[in-house]
Amino acid sequence: GAGVSQTPSNKVTEKGKYVELRCDPISGHTALYWYRQSLGQGPEFLIYFQGTGAADDSGLPNDRFFAVRPEGSVSTLKIQRTERGDSAVYLCASSPDGVIAEAFFGQGTRLTVV
Amino acid sequence: RKEVEQDPGPFNVPEGATVAFNCTYSNSASQSFFWYRQDCRKEPKLLMSVYSSGNEDGRFTAQLNRASQYISLLIRDSKLSDSATYLCVVNRDYKLSFGAGTTVTVRA
Repeated sequence: GAGVSQTPSNKVTEKGKYVELRCDPISGHTALYWYRQSLGQGPEFLIYFQGTGAADDSGLPNDRFFAVRPEGSVSTLKIQRTERGDSAVYLCASSPDGVIAEAFFGQGTRLTVV
Repeated sequence: RKEVEQDPGPFNVPEGATVAFNCTYSNSASQSFFWYRQDCRKEPKLLMSVYSSGNEDGRFTAQLNRASQYISLLIRDSKLSDSATYLCVVNRDYKLSFGAGTTVTVRA
């Protein structure tokens, strides 16, 4: 399809484990975002990529969180030593440019840490 | 203070009614503005951009007041399918900041 694709759609992991969440943006979109959404809240910014580089990672909550986008397309969000508080829906979005254009979201990965 | 604040609602209205709600944003350097719609357990989807002159898209009207730093959305002739959470979104440079959302429920 032509939209943003995220895998897996659901992930259940044990506390302390490592997880990777994948995002495949819309082809040609240079900007890619990761957001996290908890129940009853709006999406919370985590990190923004322009091309291959992380232009702003100020939203990553701590050093257990890391994201890469090595070829300027697919991105992976990595969470080490998961905690129960990491449970949320992780949303990826892409945009043709990062300034004024709207962002298109994937369906998200629902992460549950037990 | 949150960058974007919204009245969470819920707004519970009958079909055919008009419903309106606002959000406020804290950073006067914000550059562009949007309303997104989010259905339960789904991803946010762009409803409409918001322009300084105000703009309409069918039954939806958005207004922006830069001086007072608020954005509004009005829905006319509400349909059952308008039931959703409406997210106010502000863009400064590349970063989208979201409000917590306003829940609207349209009843038959």
